[in-house]
Parts: sequence; structure tokens; C-alpha cells
Amino acid sequence: AQKVTQAQTEISVVEKEDVTLDCVYETRDTTYYLFWYKQPPSGELVFLIRRNSFDEQNEISGRYSWNFQKSTSSFNFTITASQVVDSAVYFCALSEAPNTGNQFYFGTGTSLTVIP
Amino acid sequence: EPEVTQTPSHQVTQMGQEVILRCVPISNHLYFYWYRQILGQKVEFLVSFYNNEISEKSEIFDDQFSVERPDGSNFTLKIRSTKLEDSAMYFCASSDPGDRSKNIQYFGAGTRLSVL
Repeated sequence: AQKVTQAQTEISVVEKEDVTLDCVYETRDTTYYLFWYKQPPSGELVFLIRRNSFDEQNEISGRYSWNFQKSTSSFNFTITASQVVDSAVYFCALSEAPNTGNQFYFGTGTSLTVIP
Repeated sequence: EPEVTQTPSHQVTQMGQEVILRCVPISNHLYFYWYRQILGQKVEFLVSFYNNEISEKSEIFDDQFSVERPDGSNFTLKIRSTKLEDSAMYFCASSDPGDRSKNIQYFGAGTRLSVL
């Protein structure tokens, strides 16, 4: 079974529109971590945010915001006033252990295209 | 800003040949990882490494694969006899156990392996 589901395969928006990328996760652990990574066309994976399971406070960083809801097992990512440079594949990931030696489970990614 | 570096950026090899992918993790990090991403698919965990031994590995990481930390800075992934299906982007990552609450893995830019 998929531990991380990103149902949106591809999204296209016009520049300056807001866009929300969905992420639904599945775990039986009470302690876990959720992440978002950005993969631009150049291919590298860029860390965006980490959230632990005990902190449901939403976070905003500039044009980026994240909505973590344990009740629905979701960790959605919103880009406000999208820009062409936001075009990339975005991956949501889950780590089920509190220590740092455990694998990340990645979703299949959402490819975002921002049209100028 | 410290970063994970991977060499080469692109490796082309013939089926059946051995390849070694190289990574230099962030200097104060002690956990190291390899992931792979087959073109257009999600990022998949291969192996994690700590204190000179494998701490976790996936089903993908069979006897054809091995990892090594040959010196104080490099972390390598060896594929003994490459198959066509080994063609993928291979990502190295590292994390810092010094701050256990962070659990953030930082990724390199990847090595694209093409098996012909």
C-alpha cells in the first residue's frame, strides 16, 4: 500500500494564480515526519519543509504555506501568486521514525507548470 | 552553504559492467543514504548507512549493490553487474544525527546512470 499519495500527477496554472498540491499519507506510527521537496528541471531535490506529527500548526514561508491535518492524514502545500520559477516536480515524503537513520517514503510527485 | 556533491553527473555503461557512483556528504553528517528515481517515477529508497554499516535497506538493494565509505569523506554505491533496468537517477543524501528532532535528509544533484 502506498504510504504517500499525491493524486495530482500534473497541474498547470497561469502565473499569479494560487495552487494547492495535495498529499495524503498513511502510517500507524504516532511519531513521524512529513516533508516536501522540489525537483526543478535541473533534477536535484531541494528540501522545502519538515513537519513532525506533534506539530499541527500551519506554516507560511513567503509565498509557500503548508496545511497539516492529522484528522485527514493530509499535508497540503499551497503556492500563492505562482511564478514561472515555481515550475517543477514537487514530492511529498514521510519518515516513520524519530531517529535520522530511516528511509523516506516518497509520493509519486506532482508536476507543476506555471504558464507566463 | 554545505551541500552533498555527487560525481559523475552522468554515467553511461554497458550492460554487465560494474559502476561506482560517488558522493561526498555534508561534512558533519553521519547518516548517509542512496535513493534512485527511474525516469518519470517516484524516488525510491535503496539503503541507509551509519557507523560504517548498513542500517536499513530496501528490497531493491540486492546482492548486486554494495555501499562503502572508503575514507572520511566519500560514500560510494557500487553496482556489480549492471542491468538495463538499473538505468535511473541515483541520489545520495545525508543527515545530521546531532539534532535528532530535525531528521532532514539533504540530497545531492544526482547521477544519471544509463545502461546500454
